[in-house]
Amino acid sequence: EAQVTQNPRYLITVTGKKLTVTCSQNMNHEYMSWYRQDPGLGLRQIYYSMNVEVTDKGDVPEGYKVSRKEKRNFPLILESPSPNQTSLYFCASPTKGQYLHQPQHFGDGTRLSIL
Amino acid sequence: GQNIDQPTEMTATEGAIVQINCTYQTSGFNGLFWYQQHAGEAPTFLSYNVLDGLEEKGRFSSFLSRSKGYSYLLLKELQMKDSASYLCAVSDSNYQLIWGAGTKLIIKP
Repeated sequence: EAQVTQNPRYLITVTGKKLTVTCSQNMNHEYMSWYRQDPGLGLRQIYYSMNVEVTDKGDVPEGYKVSRKEKRNFPLILESPSPNQTSLYFCASPTKGQYLHQPQHFGDGTRLSIL
Repeated sequence: GQNIDQPTEMTATEGAIVQINCTYQTSGFNGLFWYQQHAGEAPTFLSYNVLDGLEEKGRFSSFLSRSKGYSYLLLKELQMKDSASYLCAVSDSNYQLIWGAGTKLIIKP
């Protein structure tokens, strides 16, 4: 079964304390992406990756880093989190093969609160 | 700039029909997606339209008019479990997804 797995599901932390949200997919797909979702704003893309060692900024990359050292994993790193990064985060990968024309399969989400 | 518009909230009655509209202005067009998202959960794929016309899938149908930059999702025989947000997303000329803010659908008995 195709899966996108994120961890943790919930995290409460404090300003400035580095954190990493992990994402892995078992579909052997090239394309992976990170979104944040805030009320009234919909899904906004943070970063995406078209393949190993290939990452690009999305619409709201400030304050975030990513890495793609292997195909299955695409961690989201907040080096110095701030309260405005409190949000619901989703990792996504296409349901099959290439990202073109394919629906996205989302992880279960990570609800992040930064105090 | 690129823009997707959907109503913020709609209310309908169980057993009825509801139409959720989506208008878009994007740099190029490579298809339009509809997703359903229950509160606190991940979005799940409902439909994909790339050519004009109506696509039917059970109780759900999706329509596209590329010349008008317009789509709608039609939900028939509404059930309480259809209470959710419905997200419209357009794939632009670079195959990047542009998302609407979503329409919260409330179903009343």
